[in-house]
Amino acid sequence: EPEVTQTPSHQVTQMGQEVILRCVPISNHLYFYWYRQILGQKVEFLVSFYNNEISEKSEIFDDQFSVERPDGSNFTLKIRSTKLEDSAMYFCAVAGQGHSPLHFGNGTRLTVT
Amino acid sequence: EDQVTQSPEALRLQEGESSSLNCSYTVSGLRGLFWYRQDPGKGPEFLFTLYSAGEEKEKERLKATLTKKESFLHITAPKPEDSATYLCAVPLPGAGSYQLTFGKGTKLSVIP
Repeated sequence: EPEVTQTPSHQVTQMGQEVILRCVPISNHLYFYWYRQILGQKVEFLVSFYNNEISEKSEIFDDQFSVERPDGSNFTLKIRSTKLEDSAMYFCAVAGQGHSPLHFGNGTRLTVT
Repeated sequence: EDQVTQSPEALRLQEGESSSLNCSYTVSGLRGLFWYRQDPGKGPEFLFTLYSAGEEKEKERLKATLTKKESFLHITAPKPEDSATYLCAVPLPGAGSYQLTFGKGTKLSVIP
């Protein structure tokens, strides 16, 4: 079983709408990540989050994206005004300290129409 | 230029027919090479991390090896349940350890 649970499993939204994708780690982790995978393409890094701050982000992670950990357990990715090209699988991933592996959730399929 | 290249893109094997998948990388100062398995509609499932040339790791029918330029995932006597896309990934130079760049993957199909 994945070490993170992602909800919803599938989200359909209209262009221009805001979406929030959620991730709940099963056990205590220190590092949180969002990746995405457009259909048929590579898995791509979006952002990393540590100690309640963004530690790194990619060029994809522009002002339309934001992340937060509002209650110490959930980790969310918000897209403020979705575009057609935001349609993808979004994966949350977590890691502990040291050389612990990076574990991915089963993703949220976002479809923007 | 891709920093992680996987080959072949797709591989069909008969059950029991052993083979190898390749992952070549061009990053310098490698800080780990990761292998994942991805089933359709699922997230990548961690398999192995390799850190230095000559290192090998095994899990059931899978063995991963690493050289200075590439990694191989050897599959011995595969079963249909080994069918999946196998991904390799490395951290980008100067980036965090888990800011990974992935290859396009090798889609493995094992025919009964």
